[in-house]
Amino acid sequence: DGGITQSPKYLFRKEGQNVTLSCEQNLNHDAMYWYRQDPGQGLRLIYYSQIVNDFQKGDIAEGYSVSREKKESFPLTVTSAQKNPTAFYLCASSKQGASNQPQHFGDGTRLSIL
Amino acid sequence: AQSVTQLDSHVSVSEGTPVLLRCNYSSSYSPSLFWYVQHPNKGLQLLLKYTSAATLVKGINGFEAEFKKSETSFHLTKPSAHMSDAAEYFCVVSENDYKLSFGAGTTVTVRA
Repeated sequence: DGGITQSPKYLFRKEGQNVTLSCEQNLNHDAMYWYRQDPGQGLRLIYYSQIVNDFQKGDIAEGYSVSREKKESFPLTVTSAQKNPTAFYLCASSKQGASNQPQHFGDGTRLSIL
Repeated sequence: AQSVTQLDSHVSVSEGTPVLLRCNYSSSYSPSLFWYVQHPNKGLQLLLKYTSAATLVKGINGFEAEFKKSETSFHLTKPSAHMSDAAEYFCVVSENDYKLSFGAGTTVTVRA
């Protein structure tokens, strides 16, 4: 079955450490997205990518970095500059732009501070 | 600029009774509107979408939503709640191709 796979499901970060969250899709979608979800808030966009080797900052990109070397993969690195990284991170993809195409979501990675 | 307000942070219903989740939006243009559902520790699943066709939109699992431009609303309803409907629901608006605005979510609990 086609879908989006995020790994790991749970991740712990030590102070000063960078961690990378994996997102892989086999839907042949061009666009991919990373969101952060905090309790009582909607999803906030961190980064998005419309095509391979291209990506744009979302609303809360500070302290995060991404790469898009392959169509199927869009890893997110949470750097030590992100002082409040504890959250649920969701990866999504869509065929083209999101306005008339639904986004498909992975099951998320929950990041906590040790 | 676009934004979404979900008017209820929590809704509790009895099994078999109707469900109403309220959503108001603000948008400078004709938006696309979506409702997504999220079960605990899972990603979001699309329930339905409005893209300027019929104003009454039918979705999966018996849900439907009505777009009312004059009221800038996009409320979600289901005639008869099921225990499996207990989840968090998000109203989402999109004006351009890549940026979505999410409401804060409405948590639905279903009493037996």
